[in-house]
Amino acid sequence: KQEVTQIPAALSVPEGENLVLNCSFTDSAIYNLQWFRQDPGKGLTSLLLIQSSQREQTSGRLNASLDKSSGRSTLYIAASQPGDSATYLCAVNIDKLIFGTGTRLQVFP
Amino acid sequence: NAGVTQTPKFRVLKTGQSMTLLCAQDMNHEYMYWYRQDPGMGLRLIHYSVGEGTTAKGEVPDGYNVSRLKKQNFLLGLESAAPSQTSVYFCASSYGAGSVYGYTFGSGTRLTVV
Repeated sequence: KQEVTQIPAALSVPEGENLVLNCSFTDSAIYNLQWFRQDPGKGLTSLLLIQSSQREQTSGRLNASLDKSSGRSTLYIAASQPGDSATYLCAVNIDKLIFGTGTRLQVFP
Repeated sequence: NAGVTQTPKFRVLKTGQSMTLLCAQDMNHEYMYWYRQDPGMGLRLIHYSVGEGTTAKGEVPDGYNVSRLKKQNFLLGLESAAPSQTSVYFCASSYGAGSVYGYTFGSGTRLTVV
């Protein structure tokens, strides 16, 4: 059974720091991995999608990597800002999305 | 471009009442999904559909039924609501299986069963 784990569960950093969020999964047979952002009381916004054949994807200050063989993905956020405060979810696609429980990020001024 | 639309956005039910949540997508997606999100549990799959007229059970299907009579709509029904079904429900859709396809989510329905 595919299981997805995200570490840390919560993170509080000062503005300007570079930070890494971690996601691990137990079965490497995935179509892709997707990172989402969720603001309190809101829906999920897709940030990045990494196909199973890709190693990384970048969008602005965000960079996501994928190592299927070791079952790991990281989301790197450069020069964090208070507006980055949210919960970040990773999900692996095995013909349906299996989610981790998220990392709650707070960036303070 | 509406994407995935969920109705209603909020609802309060009494135990034993029934209701239907509607999900509509305008992207011609084949696959549609219903998830529930609970504190500390993450998002869990309730039911899904890989095309018009098809449905399948997910991780937590008990107490729910679904129908996909039209490609663009996916309905989630609660026949006899229980307090354990208090949750936030999200609908999602995708073109289909394959590495290039991501998922688009609706904004959610917050359901409280008292």
